[in-house]
Amino acid sequence: GAGVSQSPRYKVAKRGQDVALRCDPISGHVSLFWYQQALGQGPEFLTYFQNEAQLDKSGLPSDRFFAERPEGSVSTLKIQRTQQEDSAVYLCASSLAPRAKLNQPQHFGDGTRLSIL
Amino acid sequence: AQTVTQSQPEMSVQEAETVTLSCTYDTSESNYYLFWYKQPPSRQMILVIRQEAYKQQNATENRFSVNFQKAAKSFSLKISDSQLGDTAMYFCAFEGEYGNKLVFGAGTILRVKS
Repeated sequence: GAGVSQSPRYKVAKRGQDVALRCDPISGHVSLFWYQQALGQGPEFLTYFQNEAQLDKSGLPSDRFFAERPEGSVSTLKIQRTQQEDSAVYLCASSLAPRAKLNQPQHFGDGTRLSIL
Repeated sequence: AQTVTQSQPEMSVQEAETVTLSCTYDTSESNYYLFWYKQPPSRQMILVIRQEAYKQQNATENRFSVNFQKAAKSFSLKISDSQLGDTAMYFCAFEGEYGNKLVFGAGTILRVKS
């Protein structure tokens, strides 16, 4: 596709359920990022992949959060045993080149709005 | 750690007028990148303009320009000839030269009035 695609656009889950959020980056983009955006706030970094390697997961708030990108393309963010404070918009972004070699702007998807009841 | 501060939670401007959004940041790095992103209600984060810290010249993109003051660690966005479609949340963001993530400010809601 032409841009970063995220699904589902909206997700409602009951507290304690597991959820999985999907991100399809722009074709050929090496770098993939996940951000969490609380209501009325700026996005906060969660994790970063270069191809299939997860090089930085310092922003994941707890061990309930897990991300993968097994073939270096599509990525999934999984949240286990969801809690109300997990309610937020989850944004995925991709960029063309590895960060350390050449700056390339990040292109964002429309996000998934997760609501935990 | 880097921080980005946007001190204006909300701004309003009349259509066709000019508005400036403020941003300050803190870093110990000498080279880095600064960005302004626009987020309309559709939620997609759209890149408006970017500036490389080692470039003295301020970036411009059509009606959008920045005032980059490296010593003051200030990076403001000027929108000229404001249009109704400029209504959105605007985020200032920082990226280190060898970083792998964007650090965002809290955002400024801009409302363009007719």
